[in-house]
Amino acid sequence: DIVMTQSPDSLTVSLGERATINCKSSQSLLYSSNNKNYLTWYQQKPGQPPKLLIYWASSRESGVPDRFSGSGSGTDFTLTISSLQAEDVAVYYCQQYHTTPHTFGQGTKLEIK
Amino acid sequence: QITLKESGPTLVKPTQTLTLTCTFSGFSLSTRGVGVGWIRQPPGKALEWLALIYWDDDKRYSPSLKSRLTITKDTSRNQVVLTMTNMDPVDTATYYCAHRKESNGGYDLWSLDYWGQGTLVTVSS
Repeated sequence: DIVMTQSPDSLTVSLGERATINCKSSQSLLYSSNNKNYLTWYQQKPGQPPKLLIYWASSRESGVPDRFSGSGSGTDFTLTISSLQAEDVAVYYCQQYHTTPHTFGQGTKLEIK
Repeated sequence: QITLKESGPTLVKPTQTLTLTCTFSGFSLSTRGVGVGWIRQPPGKALEWLALIYWDDDKRYSPSLKSRLTITKDTSRNQVVLTMTNMDPVDTATYYCAHRKESNGGYDLWSLDYWGQGTLVTVSS
């Protein structure tokens, strides 16, 4: 199985400040044949199912605010929230879909300072 | 509008078999490229990928659970069924089904863009 490791486990950021969450995979998620990284990011708020934010490592899902961005390639990826809003308090997960099982990271809990 | 809803027992006893049904609308599992996945989440813990099924009935399972899982589809009823045998208290979790995001260009995109609300299954005697 591909192991997904997120850092940090929790993060406290002030409103309006930048939040950065990292995700590292144990194998490259880049397919050279199409130059795509098979990595997605979800946001989960308490009592709700996950919400898709980013796919192909950097493509923002329709309707997701542009303060959310994804970057990285190969084994190292980042989710950035450029200016934290109160409604961004949630747990964030990365997931790889390069190889089944489509493993998730352990999650990063984002809170407001 | 795509919706999914999980249904099944809220309480099962150890060693019993769990059967969960995902009833969906807004798409057809007979359409090329469509897929549905199952994911679970123990209380307070991370998401765990379980299985997926493609429109052409191709299936994939988590290797650690493969011997216990079966995923099937009923296209006419717009349902996907997940069965898990030999349930144990560690299988207590919220179980979600989710729709595979459509991929432009035919790439094997497996981001999940629509999720059910989940169903909490408790395993206890």
